[in-house]
Amino acid sequence: SQQGEEDPQALSIQEGENATMNCSYKTSINNLQWYRQNSGRGLVHLILIRSNEREKHSGRLRVTLDTSKKSSSLLITASRAADTASYFCATDGDNAGNMLTFGGGTRLMVKP
Amino acid sequence: DTAVSQTPKYLVTQMGNDKSIKCEQNLGHDTMYWYKQDSKKFLKIMFSYNNKELIINETVPNRFSPKSPDKAHLNLHINSLELGDSAVYFCASSQEFRLAGGYNEQFFGPGTRLTVL
Repeated sequence: SQQGEEDPQALSIQEGENATMNCSYKTSINNLQWYRQNSGRGLVHLILIRSNEREKHSGRLRVTLDTSKKSSSLLITASRAADTASYFCATDGDNAGNMLTFGGGTRLMVKP
Repeated sequence: DTAVSQTPKYLVTQMGNDKSIKCEQNLGHDTMYWYKQDSKKFLKIMFSYNNKELIINETVPNRFSPKSPDKAHLNLHINSLELGDSAVYFCASSQEFRLAGGYNEQFFGPGTRLTVL
């Protein structure tokens, strides 16, 4: 299995509901990031949480990090149809070159 | 105003050919990357490069080589293309990790969809 695995792989909800996606990783990290990818587009950075932080907010996004369990969650509150996309977590680990390791992503569909 | 741009957007070619994908960033970043996204949407780092060093993911075949004419460009050359090279290739850039205070947010290009026939 890979560093940064998302769960669930796919999620379908109604507009207005909350969406929760989880990410697990294996090695130690400096920080963990979440990215969004709309269909046919590049990835867009959403939020970064450092290894010494436990929770972070940005607008309707809430990210938690539990380094003891090597897991993170991304919560999107009051979802909108425009939130439909794939969401990836990425970890930097202990490597040279700033390289990020991405998980397989969660495909979120928000139905209007 | 595009931050990270790639050309071409689509590339269809025959097995055995040699091709290049270009990437440019106007963010003044120090580090650039190439990623490969397969049909299952899994995104894999191929290279990390700044003006000091090239870091290669050990699983990348040596048919792939990045070339950087200057700090704002990192092109990807692929020799002897194979069917398995079909994927979407993304270029990205970021500030150098330590200079950015440990924040290595990456900015991605729109991707190049490569199809090898």
